[in-house]
Amino acid sequence: EAGVAQSPRYKIIEKRQSVAFWCNPISGHATLYWYQQILGQGPKLLIQFQNNGVVDDSQLPKDRFSAERLKGVDSTLKIQPAKLEDSAVYLCASEGLGYEQYFGPGTRLTVT
Amino acid sequence: GQQVMQIPQYQHVQEGEDFTTYCNSSTTLSNIQWYKQRPGGHPVFLIQLVKSGEVKKQKRLTFQFGEAKKNSSLHITATQTTDVGTYFCAVPSGTYKYIFGTGTRLKVLA
Repeated sequence: EAGVAQSPRYKIIEKRQSVAFWCNPISGHATLYWYQQILGQGPKLLIQFQNNGVVDDSQLPKDRFSAERLKGVDSTLKIQPAKLEDSAVYLCASEGLGYEQYFGPGTRLTVT
Repeated sequence: GQQVMQIPQYQHVQEGEDFTTYCNSSTTLSNIQWYKQRPGGHPVFLIQLVKSGEVKKQKRLTFQFGEAKKNSSLHITATQTTDVGTYFCAVPSGTYKYIFGTGTRLKVLA
């Protein structure tokens, strides 16, 4: 069974630029999460999808972050414009039948 | 809001020593999950506990859910260098999402 795929793995941008991350969950997983993980901290939930609908986006900074999962499968997370404090690893996870989460390798974003 | 604290924040042990990390919640939990994240890697699901006082073992790892379902522990017997990483607990928040704890970073000295 293929795992959660994410791309790119690394991205370096300047502040005020925009960036997009892509995630393809495990086949058949209806629930998809995007997390932000700052170095030395636990993953912080940004947004949760159930199929193509948003379940929770209360922690998403909506003035600069957006996410979509149009066909209920893969998802994109966008930041526009980026700030220095957005430097982090962005993790995508999909949820199995027992509510366990399977994480992708993450995208390490550096904003300079 | 709900808070999840893990102690200790860091632990250095000699290979062969035991290790325990604790996860404490401010509210009663329906279940708790544990994940391991290797340095430079992503979190990997280890186990989920559901019942009060539940104890589950995975080889050298022992997981326990408190009787009051407000805390949990992960104990590793005779640590090995492969145990290095950060151990996170994750607890339900609301109906459909989980909050991750602050994590305990384990270093094992050979």
